[in-house]
Amino acid sequence: ETGVTQSPTHLIKTRGQQVTLRCSSQSGHNTVSWYQQALGQGPQFIFQYYREEENGRGNFPPRFSGLQFPNYSSELNVNALELDDSALYLCASSLGGRNTEAFFGQGTRLTVV
Amino acid sequence: AQSVTQLGSHVSVSEGALVLLRCNYSSSVPPYLFWYVQYPNQGLQLLLKYTSAATLVKGINGFEAEFKKSETSFHLTKPSAHMSDAAEYFCAVSRGGGADGLTFGKGTHLIIQP
Repeated sequence: ETGVTQSPTHLIKTRGQQVTLRCSSQSGHNTVSWYQQALGQGPQFIFQYYREEENGRGNFPPRFSGLQFPNYSSELNVNALELDDSALYLCASSLGGRNTEAFFGQGTRLTVV
Repeated sequence: AQSVTQLGSHVSVSEGALVLLRCNYSSSVPPYLFWYVQYPNQGLQLLLKYTSAATLVKGINGFEAEFKKSETSFHLTKPSAHMSDAAEYFCAVSRGGGADGLTFGKGTHLIIQP
């Protein structure tokens, strides 16, 4: 059973650029959630995908968008990067449902300069 | 809307002493509550979860938490701290409604003194 893997582990982008982060969910999991964790803060929910459809979104602007593919892997896209987008981006996969365990990847550290 | 408050951004205990990390929640629906641990430069690992089956929940690494509805609390405890417990701990509540996902507290950094 493979765990949740994210790529890349680190990257540096310039303000105004666009970035795509990738996540492979744990085997058998059909739900993927993305979180932004600023330095010294708890993770904040960006959005969730269930069977290729977005089915929940936190308080993030539309320039944060995502995709989920038929194999349940997922991408997070951020357009028009701002300095405040610098954070650890975490992906979590689960079987869905309010009480199921979410398994987290190790995250992608994004630095916007 | 659901929310979580963790009291104390840093908690320091001596090795072998009791660990108590505090979490209070607010939820408009019966809550599902979780404690996660994060080691430096790593993702989050689930310690335990409350899903209404039992108010005292036992987790991994000797941790446990008690759900107290009257106090809207879900404090995390461990009888005897170990150096390896030093990490960041997050309490979270399920967002509820039709969308899953979690609302996290700001975290408590646990420091273990030798």
